[in-house]
Amino acid sequence: SQTIHQWPATLVQPVGSPLSLECTVEGTSNPNLYWYRQAAGRGLQLLFYSVGIGQISSEVPQNLSASRPQDRQFILSSKKLLLSDSGFYLCAWSVGGTVNTGELFFGEGSRLTVL
Amino acid sequence: GESVGLHLPTLSVQEGDNSIINCAYSNSASDYFIWYKQESGKGPQFIIDIRSNMDKRQGQRVTVLLNKTVKHLSLQIAATQPGDSAVYFCAGALSGGYNKLIFGAGTRLAVHP
Repeated sequence: SQTIHQWPATLVQPVGSPLSLECTVEGTSNPNLYWYRQAAGRGLQLLFYSVGIGQISSEVPQNLSASRPQDRQFILSSKKLLLSDSGFYLCAWSVGGTVNTGELFFGEGSRLTVL
Repeated sequence: GESVGLHLPTLSVQEGDNSIINCAYSNSASDYFIWYKQESGKGPQFIIDIRSNMDKRQGQRVTVLLNKTVKHLSLQIAATQPGDSAVYFCAGALSGGYNKLIFGAGTRLAVHP
């Protein structure tokens, strides 16, 4: 069966510090991978998605970047965090391809607080 | 642009009653819709989905209705239980959109005994 792991689960970082959130998927090959952000009491905003190694699409301009060094690894990074980067970050995967094949499978999330 | 939103931010129901959570979308080209349930501090979990060539789909205790004419969908939960308490999100996507789901803000469902 497929599983998705993301870490760390909780992170408190000072303004201006770097960020690295990691996500890995097991039990599937060539998945589509996604990073979403959820502000408190709000919906999910798509930040990045990837359809293959080294292929990253950004949905919104921001202080963050994403990388996919391996097929089932997706990393969310920042060189200098801003207060507005605080939120709940969710990694997700879906069956690979260019059509909507069904649901997104989400990780448990990483709660980032920037002070 | 695409937007998916919800009519009510909070819905309170009595245990055993049926719940109906509503959602509106703006892009008539959206052809795939999905409902997620999110418990506090956790990632969203799939409940049920529906494609635009259908107007109704049933799962276990849940039914999703899609009205393409008015760009509206709803999630019906039968015999609501305390374990159903969570935030519910609807999301929509376009065909060929790499599952780029656009999420609404969510409705909190509170089930009272």
